[in-house]
Amino acid sequence: AQSVTQPDIHITVSEGASLELRCNYSYGATPYLFWYVQSPGQGLQLLLKYFSGDTLVQGIKGFEAEFKRSQSSFNLRKPSVHWSDAAEYFCAVGARGNTDKLIFGTGTRLQVFP
Amino acid sequence: GAVVSQHPSRVICKSGTSVKIECRSLDFQATTMFWYRQFPKQSLMLMATSNEGSKATYEQGVEKDKFLINHASLTLSTLTVTSAHPEDSSFYICSARDRDRYLGFQETQYFGPGTRLLVL
Repeated sequence: AQSVTQPDIHITVSEGASLELRCNYSYGATPYLFWYVQSPGQGLQLLLKYFSGDTLVQGIKGFEAEFKRSQSSFNLRKPSVHWSDAAEYFCAVGARGNTDKLIFGTGTRLQVFP
Repeated sequence: GAVVSQHPSRVICKSGTSVKIECRSLDFQATTMFWYRQFPKQSLMLMATSNEGSKATYEQGVEKDKFLINHASLTLSTLTVTSAHPEDSSFYICSARDRDRYLGFQETQYFGPGTRLLVL
């Protein structure tokens, strides 16, 4: 069965510092991978996605993620965090050819200090 | 592009009443919409998949008679929580898949802003 693990429940960084949010997945083949961001009381906004090709994916708001098959990971990174990046971040996995059932991780809450 | 709206954004109701939540794709047609439920500090759990013109497919453990889903058009799906009870209080989020962008390998769900339901 597919599963997604986000090991870090809560991360705090200073504004301007670099950021890496971890995501590990369990799936029998190469899945579709997504990162979403959720601001308080809001729905989810797609940051980036990986379907195939280049394993380093660029997204919106200066985020990027790297798919590492050997580590079953899809970590999200940003070189310099802004205060407006404070939010909840969800990694999700979907089956190839059928992303009807996106499996979400439990999320990582990012707090940014000035 | 790819904007999904939900109405209402929040609703408070008395126990035993029914509440209807609308999910609309504003600038694209969605043959498939999804309904999720999110408990505080937890992840999203898929409740059901809504297909235009056909019955919804519910996930295991989701009561069909309590959570009625109707997908009457390519831009609108509704979730009705019938005879709501306090345990139904939650954040309900819908998403939609853009029919014209569904190419088998470009599938992306676009999410609405969510509806917070509080049942007293």
